[in-house]
Amino acid sequence: QQQVKQSPQSLIVQKGGISIINCAYENTAFDYFPWYQQFPGKGPALLIAIRPDVSEKKEGRFTISFNKSAKQFSLHIMDSQPGDSATYFCAAGRSGTYKYIFGTGTRLKVLA
Amino acid sequence: EAEVAQSPRYKITEKSQAVAFWCDPISGHATLYWYRQILGQGPELLVQFQDESVVDDSQLPKDRFSAERLKGVDSTLKIQPAELGDSAMYLCASSAGTNSREKLFFGSGTQLSVL
Repeated sequence: QQQVKQSPQSLIVQKGGISIINCAYENTAFDYFPWYQQFPGKGPALLIAIRPDVSEKKEGRFTISFNKSAKQFSLHIMDSQPGDSATYFCAAGRSGTYKYIFGTGTRLKVLA
Repeated sequence: EAEVAQSPRYKITEKSQAVAFWCDPISGHATLYWYRQILGQGPELLVQFQDESVVDDSQLPKDRFSAERLKGVDSTLKIQPAELGDSAMYLCASSAGTNSREKLFFGSGTQLSVL
């Protein structure tokens, strides 16, 4: 019940396209779902996060869609840019604990 | 923006040797975490400190791993003896505990290779 399944493992998108990364969780007690972005040689950095009281959250070109009944959430990157090329991790946990189960990551490459 | 400092950046050691990693969190952050990230996987929490106290070390292999944060500021993670399977990125993170975004601030990590 502690797994977070993430797909795809890798993704190649043309500049200007939409990148979509999907995650599914099992533990219904989880109520906080962040996405982290990691560049090579760097630690992960918080990109955007959502709580299950809303079905969608948008920050700039990044949008999280959340489906509580399906226990799934996804990251959409609109107008993808070469600078977005990085590894993206979804995570899930209980709000306030700061302890998350991370997905296995998606390596995104945006072609110029 | 302030950063979490970690050293060394890279560490190569032989099996059965002892290794140690150091972390200095962002000033004022009471909570400190050590994560292990195996190549191709997401970070996995090893230990969490609140000030100088361990609040969660359930995933720490205590027969060979130890962690301390004596003065509630910087922290050291030690492995003795190192095994081949310990090869990974060791990430330190800190949090303020009062941030509504529940943001973890990660350092750049120590890449450990055990030969």
